[in-house]
Amino acid sequence: QQPVQSPQAVILREGEDAVINCSSSKALYSVHWYRQKHGEAPVFLMILLKGGEQKGHDKISASFNEKKQQSSLYLTASQLSYSGTYFCGSGSSNTGKLIFGQGTTLQVKP
Amino acid sequence: KAGVTQTPRYLIKTRGQQVTLSCSPISGHRSVSWYQQTPGQGLQFLFEYFSETQRNKGNFPGRFSGRQFSNSRSEMNVSTLELGDSALYLCASSLGLAGGTYQETQYFGPGTRLLVL
Repeated sequence: QQPVQSPQAVILREGEDAVINCSSSKALYSVHWYRQKHGEAPVFLMILLKGGEQKGHDKISASFNEKKQQSSLYLTASQLSYSGTYFCGSGSSNTGKLIFGQGTTLQVKP
Repeated sequence: KAGVTQTPRYLIKTRGQQVTLSCSPISGHRSVSWYQQTPGQGLQFLFEYFSETQRNKGNFPGRFSGRQFSNSRSEMNVSTLELGDSALYLCASSLGLAGGTYQETQYFGPGTRLLVL
């Protein structure tokens, strides 16, 4: 079953922060985050493999709450280059599948 | 290292025809997954191939099929095309060491944009 992302779209000014949430109705083993710019392939951001794990690089970080079956992506002091569509993928160790959410469109304005 | 390549990049077909898309994974990657992307639907999982065998399958009709060759290159076939099949088809490769793509980084190709008239 497809994870649900919220919000569906967000518009920011440069320097502002944003949070994108990803929740699943089924138990999560892993959460993957990808960003896709218009007309380009999705690009890997990070994987969280354990409940409670947090990761980050630059000013983008993520957390994974296994009990709540959800993950959040944090974008701090957003830059124009952060614009794009963010996808979370939920991984199941039972099926071995990686299923993506419908995406969150982020637009950063100057 | 070369990335994932997909051919052709653009394709126009008419209803009822069939189409074959090709994907060459990153060298050393043995898993290839296929996704359909349409506006508002995100990335819909079609199937995953590993060592020439379909390891996982999404919820698409039997008109969608695929195969993988011994060099890990993969093809996807759609028969009896419908207007709703118009989409961007993405393939992604990963090492395939785990029992599925659920805990591996996937590297996406640029996609094949299919338009069905």
